[in-house]
Amino acid sequence: GDSVTQMEGPVTLSEEAFLTINCTYTATGYPSLFWYVQYPGEGLQLLLKATKADDKGSNKGFEATYRKETTSFHLEKGSVQVSDSAVYFCALSDPGRDDKIIFGKGTRLHILP
Amino acid sequence: EAGVTQFPSHSVIEKGQTVTLRCDPISGHDNLYWYRRVMGKEIKFLLHFVKESKQDESGMPNNRFLAERTGGTYSTLKVQPAELEDSGVYFCASSQGGTQGGLYSPLHFGNGTRLTVT
Repeated sequence: GDSVTQMEGPVTLSEEAFLTINCTYTATGYPSLFWYVQYPGEGLQLLLKATKADDKGSNKGFEATYRKETTSFHLEKGSVQVSDSAVYFCALSDPGRDDKIIFGKGTRLHILP
Repeated sequence: EAGVTQFPSHSVIEKGQTVTLRCDPISGHDNLYWYRRVMGKEIKFLLHFVKESKQDESGMPNNRFLAERTGGTYSTLKVQPAELEDSGVYFCASSQGGTQGGLYSPLHFGNGTRLTVT
């Protein structure tokens, strides 16, 4: 079945460091890909998305490119801030399956000032 | 507009007891989803309502879990009797009906209910 694998956390970085959180997926169809973020004490929020190959989703300085050839959707940010500390979830939805979202395990990111 | 609200935010119960979680979706959203995250694991789909009907309940772990959506508005998820492995964070999400050109209708998540079964 469809699945998402993302790098294990926690990830601890210093402020202004470069961030990469790896995500790969398996899907029978042609999924849409997402990154969700959960800040402390809050619900999940959509961070960015991409719906077709080579699309780049971006938001709040974060970017991820839909790579069909490597089935990947790695999240990157050039310079992280303390406020980026959160749990990040890679996810996919297959429109042929009622858009049910399938999530990865989440990666906790901790940014040190 | 008000977001998706869940109640309670935390619940601690003993094994064998009953707990009912509530979700109020965004007004006008036909789709309502329940998800669960067990500590350190994936957020897993439990079920999907379209209005008051269960569209997909393939993720419900067993018959101790009962979900309802009265009149297509708020939803409840009852666990009876609760077991230790039911501990986790239960998320509710809602979205408007249908998809557009293959793009999904964005999900709006609540803050979740953290359930601890001791």
